Amino acid sequence: AQSVTQPDIHITVSEGASLELRCNYSYGATPYLFWYVQSPGQGLQLLLKYFSGDTLVQGIKGFEAEFKRSQSSFNLRKPSVHWSDAAEYFCAVGAPGGGNKLTFGTGTQLKVEL
Amino acid sequence: DGGITQSPKYLFRKEGQNVTLSCEQNLNHDAMYWYRQDPGQGLRLIYYSQIVNDFQKGDIAEGYSVSREKKESFPLTVTSAQKNPTAFYLCASSTYSGVGETQYFGPGTRLLVL
Repeated sequence: AQSVTQPDIHITVSEGASLELRCNYSYGATPYLFWYVQSPGQGLQLLLKYFSGDTLVQGIKGFEAEFKRSQSSFNLRKPSVHWSDAAEYFCAVGAPGGGNKLTFGTGTQLKVEL
Repeated sequence: DGGITQSPKYLFRKEGQNVTLSCEQNLNHDAMYWYRQDPGQGLRLIYYSQIVNDFQKGDIAEGYSVSREKKESFPLTVTSAQKNPTAFYLCASSTYSGVGETQYFGPGTRLLVL
């Protein structure tokens, strides 16, 4: 079965600084990978997803993520963080042949200092 | 506007009581999902439905039940058998149940035990 690890529970960055949130997955083949964002007390919104092809994926709100097969990673990046980016971020993995069931990481809480 | 609605926003359960959480979508999606979110644990799949009148257990189905009598609706009942029901419950839907389809989330229901 697939699994997802988000090693950073909390991250604090200054507004305007760059951001990288880490995500590592465990799966025998190339999985389907997602990043979602959740504002406090709200549902989740999809930022981006990766299936195949170009390993650098562009998403909404200026986010991007890079799939690195050799490192089993799918890290999320943003070159310049805005205060409104403060939220919780979840990485998720779906397995081919597994329907549309997703396995989520435990999340990374992002705090932005003004 | 198309989307997913969940009601109520807050729900209180007494000991031994069954409670039902509502999830409605007007996106014309075939597949619907219920997740449970606990602090520090990410999202865990309770039940999912790929089509009307059909549903499957997820990873933590014990103490929960669902029905899918209409395409638009996927209510979740938290039964008295669920001994630790306090959590944030999220409903999601996707166009199909095929792997990689984007899941769209509702705003959630927070269940508390009195």
